[in-house]
Amino acid sequence: AQSVTQLGSHVSVSEGALVLLRCNYSSSVPPYLFWYVQYPNQGLQLLLKYTSAATLVKGINGFEAEFKKSETSFHLTKPSAHMSDAAEYFCAVNRGRDDKIIFGKGTRLHILP
Amino acid sequence: KAGVTQTPRYLIKTRGQQVTLSCSPISGHRSVSWYQQTPGQGLQFLFEYFSETQRNKGNFPGRFSGRQFSNSRSEMNVSTLELGDSALYLCASSPVSSGNSYNEQFFGPGTRLTVL
Repeated sequence: AQSVTQLGSHVSVSEGALVLLRCNYSSSVPPYLFWYVQYPNQGLQLLLKYTSAATLVKGINGFEAEFKKSETSFHLTKPSAHMSDAAEYFCAVNRGRDDKIIFGKGTRLHILP
Repeated sequence: KAGVTQTPRYLIKTRGQQVTLSCSPISGHRSVSWYQQTPGQGLQFLFEYFSETQRNKGNFPGRFSGRQFSNSRSEMNVSTLELGDSALYLCASSPVSSGNSYNEQFFGPGTRLTVL
C-alpha cells in the first residue's frame, strides 16, 4: 500500500524567509510524487512532479522539491517566501498509469509580514 | 483550452435528500476522478471513470455513485444525504496516458455542498 505523510498541518514563515514543507511517502514500487497548491475557494493546482528523472524538481512560482529515496522524502522548498504563497499545500503519490493518487492531509502555509 | 468546470459551485440540501454534481473535463481528457475534501479527513478519493467505465473506487458507501457520458462529462450522485456529507467535492481530469506515464490530474474549482 502507498501512503503520504505531511509533517505539520500549519507552518508559518516570515516574508522573505525559507519555506520548507515536509512530505514522506511509502510505496511498494518506485513512485510518482506531486506537490499541489490550493488557494482559498479554488481547486488544486499542480506545482511540480517527480517522475523518476532528475531528483531535484523545479516547479512553478519558484518552488522546488528533492526526491530522496533513502529518506523516502519529497520535501518542498522555496528560498524566499512571498505573501502570495499563503495557501494549502498537498503532497501526493501514485504508482503511475492506472493507479489512483493518494494525497497527504495538507499543510497550510501562513506568511508573516 | 478551457479548464475543468464544475456545476453548481455551491449547493445547500437537507438531510435525506439526494444531489447530483456535474463535471466537464478539459477537452480531450477521457479520465475523470472525484474527490471529497473535508477539514478533518483531507482529500479522499471517491472514484475514477475512464471511457464511461469506473476504473477505481475509494472507500465510500454505496450512497455515492457516479457515471461518465460518451463526451467524457461526469456526474456524481449522493443519495440520502447525511450531515457528514458536507464537503467540497472536487473533480479532476487527466489526459489519455500512454506507456508508463504518470496520471497528472487537472482540478476544477469544486462544488461546496452543505447539508442541513
